[in-house]
Amino acid sequence: QKEVEQDPGPLSVPEGAIVSLNCTYSNSAFQYFMWYRQYSRKGPELLMYTYSSGNKEDGRFTAQVDKSSKYISLFIRDSQPSDSATYLCAMKVSGTYKYIFGTGTRLKVLA
Amino acid sequence: GAGVSQSPSNKVTEKGKDVELRCDPISGHTALYWYRQSLGQGLEFLIYFQGNSAPDKSGLPSDRFSAERTGGSVSTLTIQRTQQEDSAVYLCASSFSDEAFFGQGTRLTVV
Repeated sequence: QKEVEQDPGPLSVPEGAIVSLNCTYSNSAFQYFMWYRQYSRKGPELLMYTYSSGNKEDGRFTAQVDKSSKYISLFIRDSQPSDSATYLCAMKVSGTYKYIFGTGTRLKVLA
Repeated sequence: GAGVSQSPSNKVTEKGKDVELRCDPISGHTALYWYRQSLGQGLEFLIYFQGNSAPDKSGLPSDRFSAERTGGSVSTLTIQRTQQEDSAVYLCASSFSDEAFFGQGTRLTVV
């Protein structure tokens, strides 16, 4: 079993929809959780970062962490075609330096 | 520049040749990572540098791969006697605390 599981998609939604992207993990020591957006032929871009359970909001994006279920989510409200990209979750144990990445979910927002 | 800079952005090389990939991290970032991203795969950790400490080379896939970081700043990843399975995107990231910032990557194609 991988330490981090992420559905590869592709996930296709109409413009304006609410998108939910998810990752599950097995290591209860993970404390730092990140979401990256990666456009085709570009490097990953850090979108959201959190280290606690609960929600963190930034504009149209909300990151949610449920440590009891070992489950994290990224919600995108009012999705736009420009949100079409691959979304990678990443996590890390406190005091360590290795990031463990999901394989990414490919999102397509249709105009 | 403000971000992580990688060069070249694309590299096509013949099987058996050596290649050098360069990474210029964000100024002031003490940690530097190299990752490899193959089509449909997640990010594979290669090597980690932190300040003047000995690097963590545990992710290097074979002894054909090596990396150095000069003066705590620029890093070079060298692949000797390239093989077709080395074809991938090589990503560099730098970090000061818990968040890692990536460059645009070098797309390596071995023909």
